[in-house]
Amino acid sequence: DVKVTQSSRYLVKRTGEKVFLECVQDMDHENMFWYRQDPGLGLRLIYFSYDVKMKEKGDIPEGYSVSREKKERFSLILESASTNQTSMYLCASSKRDMLDSGANVLTFGAGSRLTVL
Amino acid sequence: AQKVTQAQTEISVVEKEDVTLDCVYETRDTTYYLFWYKQPPSGELVFLIRRNSFDEQNEISGRYSWNFQKSTSSFNFTITASQVVDSAVYFCALSEPYYGQNFVFGPGTRLSVLP
Repeated sequence: DVKVTQSSRYLVKRTGEKVFLECVQDMDHENMFWYRQDPGLGLRLIYFSYDVKMKEKGDIPEGYSVSREKKERFSLILESASTNQTSMYLCASSKRDMLDSGANVLTFGAGSRLTVL
Repeated sequence: AQKVTQAQTEISVVEKEDVTLDCVYETRDTTYYLFWYKQPPSGELVFLIRRNSFDEQNEISGRYSWNFQKSTSSFNFTITASQVVDSAVYFCALSEPYYGQNFVFGPGTRLSVLP
């Protein structure tokens, strides 16, 4: 019954390392999202993608990049991890409804908790 | 700019008490959607409800009810006869019509229901 799968629940990395967070969905959704969750700040959008090879910056894209080579997979990349990127990262997906794009429900993965030392 | 405020950072209640989680939003659009999500300790956000801006009818689903008032830009969530399983972080979110769909989430309210 798993619908959005994030490859790692917990990661510990060193400052300066390159980090890949993988997300796969099996619902044939067009839209995919990466959020960062920090206490007191809620969820903040890093990047989203509305189609293969398409990406758009969210509210906090600095220090991150993404890749979407296949419809079901959306990867978040930290080119050079820093301690201020220690956080919970949540992947989500939604169907693209051309008639009412604001209405779609997000389906979330269980999250990846990243610690950068 | 769009914004969602959840003024209650943490709430603790004893089992069987009723509890209301507040949500206040800001938007310039006349068409928008409001959502509530629940994040249990397992971490995965779970969808609870969606309302569109043209439907101000309150909704009840079992022990859960939602009060949407455009006049005060609020979309409050009430749990009646709370249970320990209701312990979670609850997020209110706003979505506007957009090609790629963009959500604005509130900071969340952590609810602890004590036995």
